[in-house]
Amino acid sequence: SAVISQKPSRDICQRGTSLTIQCQVDSQVTMMFWYRQQPGQSLTLIATANQGSEATYESGFVIDKFPISRPNLTFSTLTVSNMSPEDSSIYLCSVGTGTGQETQYFGPGTRLLVL
Amino acid sequence: AQSVTQLDSHVSVSEGTPVLLRCNYSSSYSPSLFWYVQHPNKGLQLLLKYTSAATLVKGINGFEAEFKKSETSFHLTKPSAHMSDAAEYFCVVTGTYKYIFGTGTRLKVLA
Repeated sequence: SAVISQKPSRDICQRGTSLTIQCQVDSQVTMMFWYRQQPGQSLTLIATANQGSEATYESGFVIDKFPISRPNLTFSTLTVSNMSPEDSSIYLCSVGTGTGQETQYFGPGTRLLVL
Repeated sequence: AQSVTQLDSHVSVSEGTPVLLRCNYSSSYSPSLFWYVQHPNKGLQLLLKYTSAATLVKGINGFEAEFKKSETSFHLTKPSAHMSDAAEYFCVVTGTYKYIFGTGTRLKVLA
């Protein structure tokens, strides 16, 4: 299994600002995923990030709000732009091998509170 | 299209008694199924997975799940609950190159 770290682990931000979340994996992986978990809710996939290509966003999520970078096979960032209180959530990254049926391993999450 | 339903949003058991967390799925092909656990203020940890091998799957911490195709179910069980099992549990079915999460079941263990 992969070991995944995220930075920051938590943050409190003012509305209108942006926050970039980093996800680092201890081995090379094909696919990285970004999820949002709103308070008391399940996980919702934001986008899938493959190295060397544009991220693929799920319905309801747009690149201008959640730009993603994937510069190499061990690292990705998610930016939450122009934040509002509705963006207060846990943001988690996960990694997979890209076969579609594989196990995903999750990072510890970034807990974001927007005031 | 794939979907997953967790039938109970909350389950309470007494310590030492069996645990049953129910999950039903819908899939147009043979899916992979997973159970994850999320402890308070923690990330998700894989409990177990079914990938078309044995229908009875054993996981970590004494948990197991049985894949029943005829009932489209993948219920999670444990013979004896421990206080440390109190957490949120998510059932997951694989979609097209992505996970489909259930809404979660919060397990409470009473002393």
